[in-house]
Amino acid sequence: ETGVTQTPRHLVMGMTNKKSLKCEQHLGHNAMYWYKQSAKKPLELMFVYSLEERVENNSVPSRFSPECPNSSHLFLHLHTLQPEDSALYLCASTPQVGRGPDTQYFGPGTRLTVL
Amino acid sequence: GQNIDQPTEMTATEGAIVQINCTYQTSGFNGLFWYQQHAGEAPTFLSYNVLDGLEEKGRFSSFLSRSKGYSYLLLKELQMKDSASYLCAVRDSNYQLIWGAGTKLIIKP
Repeated sequence: ETGVTQTPRHLVMGMTNKKSLKCEQHLGHNAMYWYKQSAKKPLELMFVYSLEERVENNSVPSRFSPECPNSSHLFLHLHTLQPEDSALYLCASTPQVGRGPDTQYFGPGTRLTVL
Repeated sequence: GQNIDQPTEMTATEGAIVQINCTYQTSGFNGLFWYQQHAGEAPTFLSYNVLDGLEEKGRFSSFLSRSKGYSYLLLKELQMKDSASYLCAVRDSNYQLIWGAGTKLIIKP
């Protein structure tokens, strides 16, 4: 238990569906992250939020839309996804964005399958 | 481009010692991390190195040589529960984390 929860843990959706992934951190951190993890590939950073403000967007397709209503909650809205978007989506948090030995606290991930 | 290399898979025996290597080429360096990820679970922090040398934490140690762009994670007295993927990540000059693809460690009795 890392203090970061994600729902749902598993999601199967068709290419025309709209769904949302939810992340919540109970650590009092100010920065939250979305990562994509595909088999045998490095973690891909998708979005970074610091105090509810998006500070980074790594050329992610517009079919992925993040939302950060407050510093404890992060959403990833999904629409018209492609089969290659099937992956494990990990949420993480840190006390602040990117300095020093701040370690990433990860949630358990959402295993997404796009049919 | 920026790159982190680590072996895809390693196998070791329970009770033995294993060393997982990580080499990196990044624009700048602001620290190197090792994370452990059990199948179907979240990655969890193991170690952080920013200066050259060895950091020891119980059965796990991590070594860094900045001049060689090289690190290793040393696991002693291996236990079955150590079967997991081990992720190496480097923070570059922009404080971005660059991740390796992970090394899957299989422990055999």
